[in-house]
Amino acid sequence: AQSVTQPDIHITVSEGASLELRCNYSYGATPYLFWYVQSPGQGLQLLLKYFSGDTLVQGIKGFEAEFKRSQSSFNLRKPSVHWSDAAEYFCAVGEGSQGNLIFGKGTKLSVKP
Amino acid sequence: DAGVTQSPTHLIKTRGQQVTLRCSPKSGHDTVSWYQQALGQGPQFIFQYYEEEERQRGNFPDRFSGHQFPNYSSELNVNALLLGDSALYLCASSRTGFPYGTQYFGPGTRLTVL
Repeated sequence: AQSVTQPDIHITVSEGASLELRCNYSYGATPYLFWYVQSPGQGLQLLLKYFSGDTLVQGIKGFEAEFKRSQSSFNLRKPSVHWSDAAEYFCAVGEGSQGNLIFGKGTKLSVKP
Repeated sequence: DAGVTQSPTHLIKTRGQQVTLRCSPKSGHDTVSWYQQALGQGPQFIFQYYEEEERQRGNFPDRFSGHQFPNYSSELNVNALLLGDSALYLCASSRTGFPYGTQYFGPGTRLTVL
């Protein structure tokens, strides 16, 4: 069965430091991959997505992610974290061409001043 | 351009009652999906509606049902509420066939079952 694993439940970084959030997926075909961010009490905002082509994708708010098929990974990165980036981050894989999303359990990001 | 809207924002019900949640999709979107997000978990897919029909369904009991209207808006109904139904219910809309139905989420409805 398809699944998404986010190994880190909670990460704390200092403001200005770099960030990498890990995501591993299990999916038989070419995956459609997404990163969403959720602020407390809010819905999900799409950060970026990968469908095909260039394995390094750029998103909003200075985030990027790299698709590595050999490692079944789609890690999210940001070179310099801002205090406003504190939130919960979800990685998801899309089933089929119009299918539902399968989410990981999320990684909560805290930012130290 | 209004995004996905959901109502109500919060809802408190008691066990055994029934609830209806509502969703209006983003302009230009024709597909609506519903997700349940329990506390501390990632969202779980409930079902998806397209052309007023349920197109896909996740692993949820028949107590969860839905409807899509001709204007693409949608309702989620839950009957015989259980304590375990307490969660944030998220609606997502997308446009079928473009090129992949990237889903955009609403703010959610927080349901508390006492």
